[in-house]
Amino acid sequence: GAVVSQHPSRVICKSGTSVKIECRSLDFQATTMFWYRQFPKQSLMLMATSNEGSKATYEQGVEKDKFLINHASLTLSTLTVTSAHPEDSSFYICSAISEAYYSGNTIYFGEGSWLTVV
Amino acid sequence: SQQGEEDPQALSIQEGENATMNCSYKTSINNLQWYRQNSGRGLVHLILIRSNEREKHSGRLRVTLDTSKKSSSLLITASRAADTASYFCATGVQGAQKLVFGQGTRLTINP
Repeated sequence: GAVVSQHPSRVICKSGTSVKIECRSLDFQATTMFWYRQFPKQSLMLMATSNEGSKATYEQGVEKDKFLINHASLTLSTLTVTSAHPEDSSFYICSAISEAYYSGNTIYFGEGSWLTVV
Repeated sequence: SQQGEEDPQALSIQEGENATMNCSYKTSINNLQWYRQNSGRGLVHLILIRSNEREKHSGRLRVTLDTSKKSSSLLITASRAADTASYFCATGVQGAQKLVFGQGTRLTINP
């Protein structure tokens, strides 16, 4: 079964509103979570790296005030798209690792969240 | 930013044939991973190869890694229609936690 859960899987919001996507690790403590976005028929672009209890590290070109990332606990990270516009419509995927990753454990991906801004 | 290129961008073959996809990257890596993604879905981890490994097998999958050329290949043998998907390589960048994805190969297996 899934070890990383994303919610919602699909969301439609009006232009100008904000929408929050949750990423939860179900049976492990996720010390680090990653957020990606993927446009249709394109690859995954890393948006930010989020460590529990500290500020997220954003990739170049990603607006941190627009894409708010919070990693307040070891099992939950949230991505809030603020003042959403149609060009923010995309597939957003999170992934998570535990400390065991550095000993050879794998990285786990969520199922992704489709955001449509109308 | 993208780490590297995948080749080919799209591949269409007949069921039963072998499919080979290549991936090149730019920086030093700890490991290289291959993932599969069905249209509109999440990622499925296929195989991880460490930087000190040259070849790895898992079922019908064979992965090679050439760190001197900064390239990797994924071979799927005896392909099946259900193998139709996009395949991505992703590199664990040395000195960083993050995983950076290649452009991907869209594989179509024709029955």
